[in-house]
Amino acid sequence: GEDVEQSLFLSVREGDSSVINCTYTDSSSTYLYWYKQEPGAGLQLLTYIFSNMDMKQDQRLTVLLNKKDKHLSLRIADTQTGDSAIYFCAVMFSGGYNKLIFGAGTRLAVHP
Amino acid sequence: EAQVTQNPRYLITVTGKKLTVTCSQNMNHEYMSWYRQDPGLGLRQIYYSMNVEVTDKGDVPEGYKVSRKEKRNFPLILESPSPNQTSLYFCASKPGQDTYEQYFGPGTRLTVT
Repeated sequence: GEDVEQSLFLSVREGDSSVINCTYTDSSSTYLYWYKQEPGAGLQLLTYIFSNMDMKQDQRLTVLLNKKDKHLSLRIADTQTGDSAIYFCAVMFSGGYNKLIFGAGTRLAVHP
Repeated sequence: EAQVTQNPRYLITVTGKKLTVTCSQNMNHEYMSWYRQDPGLGLRQIYYSMNVEVTDKGDVPEGYKVSRKEKRNFPLILESPSPNQTSLYFCASKPGQDTYEQYFGPGTRLTVT
């Protein structure tokens, strides 16, 4: 079945790079997403990548996709305190109605 | 402004008292869905709708009902809420089944005592 997994916590020092990892089980993915949720707020789409791409860069964000290993990562360069949030990996699987499956979320804590 | 709105944003209720959480979008989207978010579990889909009068169960539909009488609205109904339905609920919409970007509402935090 379809499953998406992420580690639950990541702590980094301000100014360092953060790398949040995600793995998924089904190879029938179409789009893969990273959402950000700040405390008390809704979900903000950060970036997405098509399943036929290996990498996407958007300012401080770099998404890497390894389809062979079914591994997706989000790298945040020069991490700031404002980046502290929960980051959700989500994978849209083809078939049926294009189902979107979320990981449990990684809580990123940025400390001085 | 293009948006998905939900009401109420916060709700505390008691077991068994029927409630409805409304969801509305102003983008003429065909596809709408409801998720619940629980710590350590991420977001799980409750119900979805591909168009007016077309709804189907997601992964965790037990204890919930939905309706889609008009394109813009997709209310979530809890006929007899129980404490295990205490959660953060999100409504989402997107233009069509095959489109990639889903727009999320601000969330409704529900507590059932």
